[in-house]
Amino acid sequence: SQTIHQWPATLVQPVGSPLSLECTVEGTSNPNLYWYRQAAGRGLQLLFYSVGIGQISSEVPQNLSASRPQDRQFILSSKKLLLSDSGFYLCAWSVLKRGDEQFFGPGTRLTVL
Amino acid sequence: AQSVAQPEDQVNVAEGNPLTVKCTYSVSGNPYLFWYVQYPNRGLQFLLKYITGDNLVKGSYGFEAEFNKSQTSFHLKKPSALVSDSALYFCAVRDALRNKFYFGSGTKLNVKP
Repeated sequence: SQTIHQWPATLVQPVGSPLSLECTVEGTSNPNLYWYRQAAGRGLQLLFYSVGIGQISSEVPQNLSASRPQDRQFILSSKKLLLSDSGFYLCAWSVLKRGDEQFFGPGTRLTVL
Repeated sequence: AQSVAQPEDQVNVAEGNPLTVKCTYSVSGNPYLFWYVQYPNRGLQFLLKYITGDNLVKGSYGFEAEFNKSQTSFHLKKPSALVSDSALYFCAVRDALRNKFYFGSGTKLNVKP
């Protein structure tokens, strides 16, 4: 069966510090991978998605970047965090079949102080 | 462009009563529609989906959803609500061409004993 991991679960960082959040998927190959941010427990904002190694699409211009160094690894990064980067970050994966759903990781709660 | 709308920020229902969480969609082409549930500080969990076929789709935890093409709606329903159903519910549509998912703003369901 497939599983998706995210770490860390929680993170408190000062403004201006770097960020690295990691997401890995097990039990599937060639997944589509996604990073979302959720503010204040409501709507999801798609940040990045990837259909393959090294292929990253950015949805919103911002202070963040993403990389996919391996097939089942997706990393969200920042060189200098802003207060507005605080939120709940969710990684998800899906397969290419049109009717298939996304599967979400447990999330990372980021607080920037 | 694909989109979904959840017109209610919050739905309140008494335990044992039927519940409905509303969702309307706008898609070009065939709709691939999904419902997810999110408990506090957790990732989203898949409940059910509509791809094709019967308009009434059954999913996890006794939930079902009715696809209505003429009204472009995909409302989530449950015949008898439980207190444990209290959570945040998201409707989503998949853009199959772009491998992206579009989420509604979420509806908070409160089930009172």
